Formats: sequence, C-alpha cells, structure tokens
Amino acid sequence: DGGITQSPKYLFRKEGQNVTLSCEQNLNHDAMYWYRQDPGQGLRLIYYSQIVNDFQKGDIAEGYSVSREKKESFPLTVTSAQKNPTAFYLCASTPVRTGGGYGYTFGSGTRLTVV
Amino acid sequence: QQQVKQSPQSLIVQKGGISIINCAYENTAFDYFPWYQQFPGKGPALLIAIRPDVSEKKEGRFTISFNKSAKQFSLHIMDSQPGDSATYFCAASITGSARQLTFGSGTQLTVLP
Repeated sequence: DGGITQSPKYLFRKEGQNVTLSCEQNLNHDAMYWYRQDPGQGLRLIYYSQIVNDFQKGDIAEGYSVSREKKESFPLTVTSAQKNPTAFYLCASTPVRTGGGYGYTFGSGTRLTVV
Repeated sequence: QQQVKQSPQSLIVQKGGISIINCAYENTAFDYFPWYQQFPGKGPALLIAIRPDVSEKKEGRFTISFNKSAKQFSLHIMDSQPGDSATYFCAASITGSARQLTFGSGTQLTVLP
C-alpha cells in the first residue's frame, strides 16, 4: 500500500541536541511538506520541497533544517537553535510540484518532547 | 491575506445532531477548500473538498457549504456519531501555485452517545 511513513513515532530530545525526523513516501509524489502542530494552533508550515535538491522555508523555519536528496525522502532536523521544539510533527505530500489545489496525504506524525 | 479563520474551537453535539464548523478567508485568489479530519495521535485525512464554482458539495453525511461573496465556507455533519469525534481542520489554497495549503486552527468535535 502506498503512503507516507514517519519515524520514530515518539522522540525525546535533550537540551542542546539535534534530532532528525524521518519522512518517506512511496506515492511517487513530487511535493513534500513538514508541518508543526501545537494544541489550539492548527498546522504551521516549516519547510516544503517541490523537487529533489530544492526546498523552501515556510512560516516557522527558524531552528529547523531539511534536505531532499531523493524524491521519496524529506527528513527534518530539529536543531538546538529551536528553543521550543516540543510538538507533534507532520509530514505530507502532494502529487504535483505546485501543491496548491490538491489534497495532501499525511503521515502519522512524530511526537517530539524535550527532556 | 493568507489566514483562514475557523470557529468554534470546540463543539459538543448529541448523537444524531448536526455539527456545524465555520471558516472564513480573506484572499480571494483561494480556489480550493478542503476539510481534514484528525484522530488523536494520527495525521489528518482528507474528508471532503470544494471549489468555488459550486455552492455545496455532499458526500454521505458530510456537506460543505460555500459562500463566495461572504468568503465563508462551512462543514455540516448530519446525524453526528460518536465515531465522528475528532479534530476538524479547514484549509485553502490556490491551484497551480507553489504555495501550499493554509490551515484553520482546528475544531475539536465531541459527539456524546
């Protein structure tokens, strides 16, 4: 079955530590996205990528980094510069590069907690 | 211009009742309006979507009503069931743009048995 796989499901980060969240899709979708979800704030865009080796900042990119070396993969690194990283992180994809106008397929999310 | 405002933040409905969630937008270039349903600990799933060339779209118990002049759209859940208890997000985007979906802040729906 096609879909988006996010791992790990739960992740704990110590202060000053970088962590990487995995997102893999087998849908052959061009565009991929990372969202952060906090209670009562909906989904906020962190980064998005329309094609391999290219990505754009979203609304809250500070303290995060991404790469898109393969079409199937779009990992997100939460760096030590992100001062409040505790949140639920969602990866999504759409079949076309210009994602506007199409529904998203979401992964099941990674819950990151700072300890 | 990119905001989508959603209300109410939470909603409690009796089983069999009608659940209504409202969204409003400012950017008149938006032309795709989906609704997503999210259960705890899961990613959102596309529920139903509408484009502004129609005023209403129905899929089973779920209906989107769209008012282009008022720049508002709403989700109606008829005969609400306890299994409908979830968080619902409205969203909007512009077809063909690189810009991705803009989401509302979400509505937590509880349907009482």
